Amino acid sequence: GQNIDQPTEMTATEGAIVQINCTYQTSGFNGLFWYQQHAGEAPTFLSYNVLDGLEEKGRFSSFLSRSKGYSYLLLKELQMKDSASYLCAVMDSNYQLIWGAGTKLIIKP
Amino acid sequence: GAVVSQHPSWVICKSGTSVKIECRSLDFQATTMFWYRQFPKQSLMLMATSNEGSKATYEQGVEKDKFLINHASLTLSTLTVTSAHPEDSSFYICSARRAGGSEEQFFGPGTRLTVL
Repeated sequence: GQNIDQPTEMTATEGAIVQINCTYQTSGFNGLFWYQQHAGEAPTFLSYNVLDGLEEKGRFSSFLSRSKGYSYLLLKELQMKDSASYLCAVMDSNYQLIWGAGTKLIIKP
Repeated sequence: GAVVSQHPSWVICKSGTSVKIECRSLDFQATTMFWYRQFPKQSLMLMATSNEGSKATYEQGVEKDKFLINHASLTLSTLTVTSAHPEDSSFYICSARRAGGSEEQFFGPGTRLTVL
């Protein structure tokens, strides 16, 4: 079967750094996405990785290791508005997105 | 950017009625649109994939006669929840993939359906 694993909840302090991990087992791989979802809202796109390595975009970075079936989202200089759920999704061989359950990130002052 | 709208944002209806939700790509053509359902504190569950001009492909366990999908144009897809029941209450989100673009999906703002 296909499976995406990410922690259910994480807590971090404003101004700090947090890393949200995602491991996956899918039938084929055509890229991994990270989305941010605030409560009651639709997901918004953060990053897309299809090759191994680190992609940096402002305060957010995403890393991928295809051989390990592993990715992480790194958030720096945390702000209160970063409190949200972060969804990891993998596009399989049929170009279908397989979604993780999301990681709820709680930022404390 | 690519903007996707959904209408309505929220709807409350009586059990047994049908509800139609529209999903529009405002500034791009979408050959493929996706319909998701999300229950509280759970991940998105893909219900169906809709390709313009053809029948939707439903995920296992999703009743195609209950959740009618019409993708009549490159900018509009509709989801009709027929004979809605309280267990259909959920957050319905559509997304669209740009024609000739990347694999990124652009999400609508979602529609919260409450069936009394």
